[in-house]
Order: sequence, then structure tokens, then C-alpha cells
Amino acid sequence: DAKTTQPPSMDCAEGRAANLPCNHSTISGNEYVYWYRQIHSQGPQYIIHGLKNNETNEMASLIITEDRKSSTLILPHATLRDTAVYYCIVRVESGGSNYKLTFGKGTLLTVNP
Amino acid sequence: DAGITQSPRYKITETGRQVTLMCHQTWSHSYMFWYRQDLGHGLRLIYYSAAADITDKGEVPDGYVVSRSKTENFPLTLESATRSQTSVYFCASSEFHREQYFGPGTRLTVT
Repeated sequence: DAKTTQPPSMDCAEGRAANLPCNHSTISGNEYVYWYRQIHSQGPQYIIHGLKNNETNEMASLIITEDRKSSTLILPHATLRDTAVYYCIVRVESGGSNYKLTFGKGTLLTVNP
Repeated sequence: DAGITQSPRYKITETGRQVTLMCHQTWSHSYMFWYRQDLGHGLRLIYYSAAADITDKGEVPDGYVVSRSKTENFPLTLESATRSQTSVYFCASSEFHREQYFGPGTRLTVT
């Protein structure tokens, strides 16, 4: 799976949008971009994933650049409960190894009051 | 309630003891996984299972044994616990080639 690069930490004001970037310049055509987060002491939580189109669900939006070399996770109105480590993961969804979910160091997002 | 649960949530055991961590999911997901999380290493895959009676090694399987006689359960056994196995253990499940859903974790301390 392609390697990802994320900033180690970011801050965001409560109520503002949090934009978390991820670089995945070696991504292959059949690799999806997944986002998970881990709130302190809890299990990782799935947020969203996409292949090349932008995606939105009740938690967040995922914007993938046209060349697919980078993406941005957007939390539209961050709350204090969104403080967590956010992981960007690139993986093959069909074929290959279903188990392969490699967590890097992620971005620690701190939402400030 | 539907979801994925782990038990116990906290466990202290002595070196050399056998300990089993339990994982139960109610979604009938085909795949189940065991990860461990340590400072400086992030999450590492120990074992996974594609279906009942089908298991395979992940990145760090040594010292662990798994079984899966029923789709909903995936116990992880430390046959002879060592201090290096002190960690937080997470179980996860997923449908085939889909996102994984994680349990709340078991914090294991080996003294």
C-alpha cells in the first residue's frame, strides 16, 4: 500500500472547520483513501473513505485532488469531542489483502474552546 | 446492543500465565482482527480471520494463539505471558474488503 504523510499536529477553534491534509503521492489506481480517528484510550473509529470522487457523510467530507496524490479530511464544525489522532490510510479494497490496514503516526487534532 | 465488545477491559497477570482476551461482534462480519498498540509502534496486526475456522498471521503473531469456531467470536490467547506483551489490545471486524470497526480495547499488564 502507498505511504502517507500527515502533519504531526494541528489546532482548530471550536465551531470552525478542521481541514486535515494527507499526502499519498505514490497511490495506485485501485487504492482507496481511508480516514480513521482515535480518541484518547478508545478504539480507532472509521470516518470515511473514497477512491477519486469527493465523499461526504454525517461525520466529515473527503476531498481528493484530481491527480489523487493528496486528500483533505474536513470536519465542518469541529467540537471539543473531535480532539483525537486522525489517521489517513491508503489501501486496496478489492483483491489484494483485505487485512492490510497500516496505521502511521497520524495527526493529533486539538480543538480549542 | 449491536456492535463489537471486548472482555475483560483491564487485566493484570503474571509472567508465564496463560490469559485469553475475548472479542464478540454482532454484525456477522466475515473478517475479524487483533491489533496491539504500544507507544512508539502504533497499531500492529497480530492475527486475523477471514471466516470461522480460517485464521492467519499478521505482523506480530509470536506468543499468541487465536481460534474462531463461531463467526461472532475471536478469542486471543497469550499462552505464556511475557512483560513485552503488556499493551492495549484492540479487536476489529469488517465485511469483505470494507472498513474495519474496532472494539473498545483491553489494557493488559504483565508483571
